[in-house]
Amino acid sequence: DTEVTQTPKHLVMGMTNKKSLKCEQHMGHRAMYWYKQKAKKPPELMFVYSYEKLSINESVPSRFSPECPNSSLLNLHLHALQPEDSALYLCASSQEVPGFGNEKLFFGSGTQLSVL
Amino acid sequence: AQKITQTQPGMFVQEKEAVTLDCTYDTSDPSYGLFWYKQPSSGEMIFLIYQGSYDQQNATEGRYSLNFQKARKSANLVISASQLGDSAMYFCAMRETLYNQGGKLIFGQGTELSVKP
Repeated sequence: DTEVTQTPKHLVMGMTNKKSLKCEQHMGHRAMYWYKQKAKKPPELMFVYSYEKLSINESVPSRFSPECPNSSLLNLHLHALQPEDSALYLCASSQEVPGFGNEKLFFGSGTQLSVL
Repeated sequence: AQKITQTQPGMFVQEKEAVTLDCTYDTSDPSYGLFWYKQPSSGEMIFLIYQGSYDQQNATEGRYSLNFQKARKSANLVISASQLGDSAMYFCAMRETLYNQGGKLIFGQGTELSVKP
């Protein structure tokens, strides 16, 4: 099983709503990532979890709140978003070997988010 | 700071011909990894090929090969015998080695490849 599964595939929410994006992998990977991607642009790193601990936060606004309940799951909680937050949100995972660090990332298909 | 540059926003290639997608990078880190990903219109990022900074030989994966020129800091992707299904956005990416922190994969701006029948 080499899949990263993201749900939902599409999400429409109002600026006052609270919603969550979910990501799951069963490859035994110990690093998981959230990326944000606008149309025709490259993905931008938001958060990295390594061994279930938040290791990188790329100065993301607090209306985005990541959570890693266990080594297979990654959530992104959304609250009071703005229309400019509309984008494709990609989850990824990778195997982490301490002291190495060049493993490839496996990506999910993404959640297309629209904020009205 | 790291930087990845893809200078070809869009390219066309005839079916069954070879095509080269350009990528240059800049880093002061002696240990790094270079990746190419394909993103079809469905949105999923598909891993194609990887080259480590210490690898002596150019990486190959089926129809994909990576022309790695370390001194010039270039990592061009070569697709041989293009197929209609190769039409997609292609991203070059570089991974910074951050031990035990999950690393950071930084992407170039991408090249949109269109394969003509």
